[in-house]
Formats: sequence, C-alpha cells, structure tokens
Amino acid sequence: DTGVSQDPRHKITKRGQNVTFRCDPISEHNRLYWYRQTLGQGPEFLTYFQNEAQLEKSRLLSDRFSAERPKGSFSTLEIQRTEQGDSAMYLCASSPPLVEGLTDTQYFGPGTRLTVL
Amino acid sequence: AQSVAQPEDQVNVAEGNPLTVKCTYSVSGNPYLFWYVQYPNRGLQFLLKYITGDNLVKGSYGFEAEFNKSQTSFHLKKPSALVSDSALYFCAVRGLSGAGSYQLTFGKGTKLSVIP
Repeated sequence: DTGVSQDPRHKITKRGQNVTFRCDPISEHNRLYWYRQTLGQGPEFLTYFQNEAQLEKSRLLSDRFSAERPKGSFSTLEIQRTEQGDSAMYLCASSPPLVEGLTDTQYFGPGTRLTVL
Repeated sequence: AQSVAQPEDQVNVAEGNPLTVKCTYSVSGNPYLFWYVQYPNRGLQFLLKYITGDNLVKGSYGFEAEFNKSQTSFHLKKPSALVSDSALYFCAVRGLSGAGSYQLTFGKGTKLSVIP
C-alpha cells in the first residue's frame, strides 16, 4: 500500500508568481486534507475534502489560495500572487471512509516546501 | 475552539532511560487525541491515538500514551529511549463533532534528543 505522495517536494518561486502543488492520497481514501507548517510550528489546517466536495476551509485560506479535487482522487492546491509569508511546508493527508463509532487516522505525505523569494 | 499545548520545546534524555513528552489539550466534549513524529524534511508519521476506552494506549515503536481526562493531558511515554527516537513530536486533538471536527489541531511540537 503506497503512502500519500506530493509533488513537487521543493518549489522556489519569486514573489507574485503562481504555484500549484499536487497531492495523491492513499488509494481508496475518500478524505483529503491540506495543512501548512511554518518553521517552529505545528501544522495548521487549511482545507478538507470528502470525495470531490470541499467541506471545510480555514480562515488561513485567503482568496489567493484555491484547492480542488475534481474527481475525488488527487488534489491540487494553487497559490496565486505568492508572498514571502507563504513560504512554508505544505502537507497533504488522507484518511479512509469513516466507520461509525470509530475515527479516522490521517496519514501524511512528505510535504512540499515552498520558498518565495 | 480546540487547542493543544506542548509545554516543553525540547526534551533531552539519555539512551536507555524512560522518556516522557507532555501534552495538554482543550476541546468541547470528548476528544480524539493523536501523537505524530516528524523526522527532518519528512512528513508526519502516525504513532498512536486515543478514541475511547482504556486510558493507556499503545502505539508504534514501543511508544504509549496515557489519557487523563481530569488533567486534560495525553503524555507520550516510552520505557527505554533509543537514539533513533530523536525527532520532533507533535500532539494533536480533534473534536468529536461540530465545526472543525474534521481538522486536527496540533501543538507546536517537542524536539526529543536521545543522548548516547
């Protein structure tokens, strides 16, 4: 069973450019999450998908950020007009369908490290 | 709103000694609690979770954690530390229901250093 994969692993861009990250969840995991982690901090939730539906969005997800999961499989996170403050590790996680009475465990990918110059 | 506190930025322990990494939480209702470990330039690896039932939870790599409802704590423990346990450890909480019940809220992390 392969884990969550993310691409690219590293991205360096100039301020004002647009960037897009991809996440491939564990197969048959219908739930997908994006988090952002800055240096010295724990991951912070950005958004959540159940299948193709985006069910939850954090206030951290400004209008420059957009996430999609068009076919309920892989997901993309796009940042428009990047700012230096966007520099962070962007983590994707997935979890299996919820079983009544249990809770799902989120399994994380290796992350995409974004550096905005 | 839910929150997690990890009061120690760093914990140093000698190899072979027991280790404890502390975590306290705040959440409405009953919590789901998790521990993850992060190695340099890597994602988070799941260690263990508490949902309900026995307050002592056993996880991967010999780690365990004790849920204490009255103290709202979920400390991570291991009887005998290994040098390879040196990493960054994160405690996380998830609410049972309501807004934000899908997201994990993480602490700031505790850097564990096991000294040979």
